[in-house]
Amino acid sequence: GNSVTQMEGPVTLSEEAFLTINCTYTATGYPSLFWYVQYPGEGLQLLLKATKADDKGSNKGFEATYRKETTSFHLEKGSVQVSDSAVYFCALNQGSSNTGKLIFGQGTTLQVKP
Amino acid sequence: GAGVSQTPSNKVTEKGKYVELRCDPISGHTALYWYRQSLGQGPEFLIYFQGTGAADDSGLPNDRFFAVRPEGSVSTLKIQRTERGDSAVYLCASSYFPKTGELFFGEGSRLTVL
Repeated sequence: GNSVTQMEGPVTLSEEAFLTINCTYTATGYPSLFWYVQYPGEGLQLLLKATKADDKGSNKGFEATYRKETTSFHLEKGSVQVSDSAVYFCALNQGSSNTGKLIFGQGTTLQVKP
Repeated sequence: GAGVSQTPSNKVTEKGKYVELRCDPISGHTALYWYRQSLGQGPEFLIYFQGTGAADDSGLPNDRFFAVRPEGSVSTLKIQRTERGDSAVYLCASSYFPKTGELFFGEGSRLTVL
């Protein structure tokens, strides 16, 4: 079945460090890929997405490129801030489905220290 | 408020009791989802409504779980004969364009079964 695997956390970085959170997926067909973020005390919110191979999603300085050949969608940011501290979830939406039913990874906690 | 609202935010109950969790989606969003998030895991899909009808209930774990959305807006997740393994955060999300995979999540209802 379809699944998403993320690197285990927590990830602890100093402010202005480079961030990579790895995400790989298993799916039939051509899924859309997402990164959702959960800030402390808030609900999950969409950070970025990509709908087809080689697409790059970007938002708030974060980027992720849909790599079909490696079935990956790694999240990157060049310079993290304390305010980026949150839990990050990689997810997929089966491309043939119009329901918005998502499969999530287990989440990666990021802690950024000043 | 403008976001997805869930009540109660916390519910502690005893094994065997009946529980109801309520979700008030963003106005105008026809799609509504329930997910369950266990500690250290990503959200797992339970059920999806399009309007008043359950379009996909494949994630409900067993017949103790039931959800309704009688007027196409507010939804209630009902759990009968609760078990300790039901303890989790129950998340509600809504969407205007489900095909895009952009879901708007509430903060969740934390259920603890003693």
